[in-house]
Amino acid sequence: QITLKESGPTLVKPTQSLTLTCTFSGFSLNTTGVGVDWIRQPPGRALEWLALIYWDDDKRYSPSLKSRLTITKDTSKNQVVLTMTNMDPVDTATYYCAHHGGGYDYFDYWGQGTLVTVSS
Amino acid sequence: SYVLTQPPSVSVAPGQTARITCGENNMGSKSVHWYQQKPGQAPVLVVYDDSDRPSGIPERFSGSNSGSTATLTISRVEAGDEADYYCQVWDSSTDHYVFGTGTKVTVL
Repeated sequence: QITLKESGPTLVKPTQSLTLTCTFSGFSLNTTGVGVDWIRQPPGRALEWLALIYWDDDKRYSPSLKSRLTITKDTSKNQVVLTMTNMDPVDTATYYCAHHGGGYDYFDYWGQGTLVTVSS
Repeated sequence: SYVLTQPPSVSVAPGQTARITCGENNMGSKSVHWYQQKPGQAPVLVVYDDSDRPSGIPERFSGSNSGSTATLTISRVEAGDEADYYCQVWDSSTDHYVFGTGTKVTVL
């Protein structure tokens, strides 16, 4: 079955960069149409989509955060990495990675999420 | 930027029907997907492509999309349906995904 799990620091200082890793199993990022996304949720607030990487290395970013985000993949390790620069306390959130398969634009499997706090 | 507006909260008695709207211009031209999120848990897909249900989701969850509003309907509401619900679309004009503002469903 498909599983995803996020990992990374729980605490980041303002102005630092955040690097999160999504390690998945049950599917391959070599399969046509498959993608992995990053989505975040500040405490008590709504979900916010951040970035997407496709099987063919095509990438999409949230327009409002595009300048701060980089998404990459390592298919040999079944991992997707998200880097966000210049972190601010407003970036405090639970960060999720999610799977979507070929030809559709919804997220059918999610990781458990990882809470990242930005504080000095 | 694209905004998907949902009512902040919906309250419903057990056994009754809850309806959650997701509105923006020209919704009828988009495929709308819905997620349920219980406290401390990751979201779960409950309806995709306007009205389809993933396997394992009860028939009590249904969706529709026409004109300017999409709707998630929960029939015969149970206490376990108490959660936050989010709609989601792909905005082809800017090439990114958008989530709705979220609706908290309270079972009285």
